[in-house]
Amino acid sequence: EVHLAESGGGLVQPGGSLRLSCATAGFRFGDYLMTWVRQAPGKGLQWVANIKKDGSNRYYSDSVKGRFTISRDNAKSSLFLQLSDLRAEDTGVYYCARNWETGVDVWGNGTTVIVSS
Amino acid sequence: SYELTQPPSVSVSPGQTATITCSGDPLTNPYNYWYQQRSGQAPVLVIYKNTERHPRISERFSGSRSGTTLTLTISDVRAEDEADYYCQSGDISDTYRIFGGGTKLTVL
Repeated sequence: EVHLAESGGGLVQPGGSLRLSCATAGFRFGDYLMTWVRQAPGKGLQWVANIKKDGSNRYYSDSVKGRFTISRDNAKSSLFLQLSDLRAEDTGVYYCARNWETGVDVWGNGTTVIVSS
Repeated sequence: SYELTQPPSVSVSPGQTATITCSGDPLTNPYNYWYQQRSGQAPVLVIYKNTERHPRISERFSGSRSGTTLTLTISDVRAEDEADYYCQSGDISDTYRIFGGGTKLTVL
């Protein structure tokens, strides 16, 4: 069974950093483009970043560009998101997601990031 | 404009048909999607490539596209369909993804 499990969320002060991880199982991780999507409390879904199958290309939303870094380890079937210079508006649930064509066919259950002093 | 617009809410009685629209220029991308998110849960894929229903999704769900408008139709609505629904588009070069603001479906 295909499974995505995020971890690494928590409470962090403004300006701080956090590293999110996504462990995957049940599919050939290296065959898929991967994505991070977030959701602020009571708000809608917001795309954060994409990373190509071999990690050669990475793309970010304007709201996180220069502060967040997406990466992957195909040997360990894992996806990562390094969050830096965090702001209150970065608070939310962060979902790891498997891409299929130009959409998402599998979602993790999310990990919660709270940016507050 | 570079955004996807959905009605904030739609309400229907059980057994009726619910129609949720999504509009915006990004929908000219070849493939667009719909997701269902029940309260407190992760989203799930409902419709892919504009009109294809995910195998695990009830046949009561269908999708269509006309120009820059995407439509999700839910027939014979049931209480279990109550959820937030999001449309989504993305370019084939994978440089971006964009979501609509979401529509809360209430089953009266």
